[in-house]
Order: sequence, then structure tokens, then C-alpha cells
Amino acid sequence: EPEVTQTPSHQVTQMGQEVILRCVPISNHLYFYWYRQILGQKVEFLVSFYNNEISEKSEIFDDQFSVERPDGSNFTLKIRSTKLEDSAMYFCASCAGGFNQPQHFGDGTRLSIL
Amino acid sequence: GIQVEQSPPDLILQEGANSTLRCNFSDSVNNLQWFHQNPWGQLINLFYIPSGTKQNGRLSATTVATERYSLLYISSSQTTDSGVYFCAVERNEYGNKLVFGAGTILRVKS
Repeated sequence: EPEVTQTPSHQVTQMGQEVILRCVPISNHLYFYWYRQILGQKVEFLVSFYNNEISEKSEIFDDQFSVERPDGSNFTLKIRSTKLEDSAMYFCASCAGGFNQPQHFGDGTRLSIL
Repeated sequence: GIQVEQSPPDLILQEGANSTLRCNFSDSVNNLQWFHQNPWGQLINLFYIPSGTKQNGRLSATTVATERYSLLYISSSQTTDSGVYFCAVERNEYGNKLVFGAGTILRVKS
């Protein structure tokens, strides 16, 4: 069964540095998402992406964050000038679109900011 | 926005016991998914169930969309069922975000 793949599985970065989290969605999917889960808390929506543009973003997704689909297969989340509170698990998801279609999640990237 | 409430927040079971987890949501939805988060943090999709009943082995789920709730049944629980169970819903516009509940922490003791 096709899967959403995320790399790296764990990223450790110094505060103030930039990080790029990578995702390869399922190949025929049209909708892409990033979610975040701070340790011990629930999963929160960050941003959705469709037709090469952001379709919705949460209040968490401020100017520090950006997303890109650079080559038609990868979907990336960039965090500029990371802060301690950016430490979390980041999940990528994709969906084929249309009605009656579930979102498929990757295994996540655990981001630790020191 | 839409509210998702899960109950109970915590549950401890003896191996072999059955359990029911509940998810209430505050508005009509066109997608509802149940996930199991394992100790490694992975979100395992259990069911896509915007309405009706589905079964997969020892697990089954029922969503009554008109009454805005969903139930996840775990029968003959095993220690490997331990983890956090999340319900997540999506509003009526497709391509929209999933809104997660706070989860139910399940511990199965041998």
C-alpha cells in the first residue's frame, strides 16, 4: 500500500537555525498537510496545500513557517530561526481529494530545538 | 470552530477486557478518522468512518453522524493496544483540515 514518507525521523537543531522537514506524499494525491504535536498534547493543524498554493493555515503558521512543493513529488516545511517552543513532532499528510477520502499520515519527524 | 471531545481521558484495562471509547463533535462533518498513536509516536490510521459501522479484527467503530458522535470498540484487549487513541474530524468542505480531539490514553496490563 502506498505510504507517505517523512525525513528525517529525528532532527536536532540549535535555536535560531533554520530547518527543513521533508515529505513525499502518495503519488496521485492532490491535497497536502502539515500538522504539529507538542509532547503530551493533541495534534494541531498547521497548513494545507492544494494546486501549488496554501489553501488554509492556522494561527500557529506565522511568518516563521513556509511550505513548498519544489519538484512535484516532495512537500517541505521550512522553519526559519527556530525557537525552543518549536520542539514537537511534525506530521505530513496527503489526501486524494474529493468526498469519502481519508487523510494518510507519515510517521512524523521529531524536531528537538536546543 | 468545530469542537471534538473524547472520553474517557484515561483508561486502564486488564488484558482480555473490552472497552468503548467515545468521540463527540459539535458540527456536521464529512470525514471522521480514528488513529492509534503508538509508543514511537506514529499515528496509525484505524478507521475512516464518517458514518455507519466498520470492523477490523478486534476493533470496530460506529459513527452516528446525525447525533454527532462516534464510538471505537476494542475487544479482547492486548498489551500492544496500549497507546493514545485520537478521533479527528473534517468539516463539510473537502480538502479541509482534520481537527483532533485530545485523545484517550489506554493502558492494557498483563
